[in-house]
Amino acid sequence: GENVEQHPSTLSVQEGDSAVIKCTYSDSASNYFPWYKQELGKRPQLIIDIRSNVGEKKDQRIAVTLNKTAKHFSLHITETQPEDSAVYFCAAIGVRNNNDMRFGAGTRLTVKP
Amino acid sequence: DGGITQSPKYLFRKEGQNVTLSCEQNLNHDAMYWYRQDPGQGLRLIYYSQIVNDFQKGDIAEGYSVSREKKESFPLTVTSAQKNPTAFYLCASSIVSRSMYNEQFFGPGTRLTVL
Repeated sequence: GENVEQHPSTLSVQEGDSAVIKCTYSDSASNYFPWYKQELGKRPQLIIDIRSNVGEKKDQRIAVTLNKTAKHFSLHITETQPEDSAVYFCAAIGVRNNNDMRFGAGTRLTVKP
Repeated sequence: DGGITQSPKYLFRKEGQNVTLSCEQNLNHDAMYWYRQDPGQGLRLIYYSQIVNDFQKGDIAEGYSVSREKKESFPLTVTSAQKNPTAFYLCASSIVSRSMYNEQFFGPGTRLTVL
């Protein structure tokens, strides 16, 4: 089945700097890659997603890139703010069915003011 | 934060006891999921259901059981057979379609502690 690896596990940046989180996946048939943000003690919430027919997608300060050949995708946050501090999870849809979502282990991002 | 709810928020259980976690959604979603979250790890799928009266095992189903008698409800029972049940449990729901782009909406979670 699908296996998703995520790096780094922790990331600390200064306010205003950029943050990049990378994920790789194993199943070349996967074609939907969402990113979830989980603030402390709260539920994960979708912040951006990308489909396999698109190489890059941007939403204000957040962007995601996808390289299907290399089977990796990345989350980019620019001009980071303290409220960006959270755990970020990448995910990929596996092949068993279109609801079988596999998550990375998460990245704890800390933005220092 | 409405739409999908879980109760209770915190749950304590003695070893050897079964306990049931509630998950309800009013989003009219056909699919529902249970995940387990441990510190430093991603979400691991326990069970999922795409339709009433049907459910499938995820990667870590041992020691857990579910039922799907109603579209809105997908309770999870943590049995005494689960060797390490202390964790944060998240329920989610999504539509079911032929498209593969189905966002999952999460509940607020239940933190289970075995004493």
